[in-house]
Amino acid sequence: GNSVTQMEGPVTLSEEAFLTINCTYTATGYPSLFWYVQYPGEGLQLLLKATKADDKGSNKGFEATYRKETTSFHLEKGSVQVSDSAVYFCALSVRGTDTGRRALTFGSGTRLQVQP
Amino acid sequence: EAQVTQNPRYLITVTGKKLTVTCSQNMNHEYMSWYRQDPGLGLRQIYYSMNVEVTDKGDVPEGYKVSRKEKRNFPLILESPSPNQTSLYFCASSLQGVAGGAYEQYFGPGTRLTVT
Repeated sequence: GNSVTQMEGPVTLSEEAFLTINCTYTATGYPSLFWYVQYPGEGLQLLLKATKADDKGSNKGFEATYRKETTSFHLEKGSVQVSDSAVYFCALSVRGTDTGRRALTFGSGTRLQVQP
Repeated sequence: EAQVTQNPRYLITVTGKKLTVTCSQNMNHEYMSWYRQDPGLGLRQIYYSMNVEVTDKGDVPEGYKVSRKEKRNFPLILESPSPNQTSLYFCASSLQGVAGGAYEQYFGPGTRLTVT
C-alpha cells in the first residue's frame, strides 16, 4: 500500500533559521507528491507539488525536490518567519488503476513553531 | 472566489442522533472527497465521488454515508453517530485530471464534530 512518513514535531526554530522537514514515502505506482500547510483554525492549503522524479516544487520560499531514488520529498526553506508557524503535511496521490480513485495519503503532520 | 465551503464549522451532538455535514464547491470539480483528521494519524479518506451519482468507499467508511445528487454538493451523513466519530472533518474537491497528472485537491475549512 501507500504510506508517508514525516519527522515528528514540534520543530521549534528562531526567525531566519533554516528549515528542513523530512518526508519519505512508499507507493504502488508512480505518485505525485505534495506539501500542504494548515494554519491554526484553518483548512489545508496546497503549498507545493511535484509530479515526476527530479521535479522541484516551490512556493513562498519553500522548496521540495522529488527524489525517486531515495523515495523522499523533503521540505526546505532558507529563512523562516514567525508567520510560517503551522502544521505541514506531506502527501502523495496515486491514481487507482481500476477505479480512478485518487485519495491523498497523508503523513501525520509536523508542527513548526517559529520564535521571534 | 474559488472555494470549498462546509457547514457547520462546529457541532456537538449526542450518540445516535443523525446529523449531516454539508460540503459545496464552486469550481465545477468532478472529484470530491471527505477526510477525517485525528491526532497522530494525519488525514484519512472516508468516501469519495468521481462525479454525480458515483461514490465509493475510502479507507475508513464505517459509520458514514454520502450522496452526490448535484455536482457542487457532497454531504456527509452520520446516521447514528458514536463517540469514536469525534474528529475534525474536511471536504475536498479537484478536477478529474489526466493520467499521470498531479491531483491537486482543494480543502474546505473543516468541521469539528464532538459526539458525547
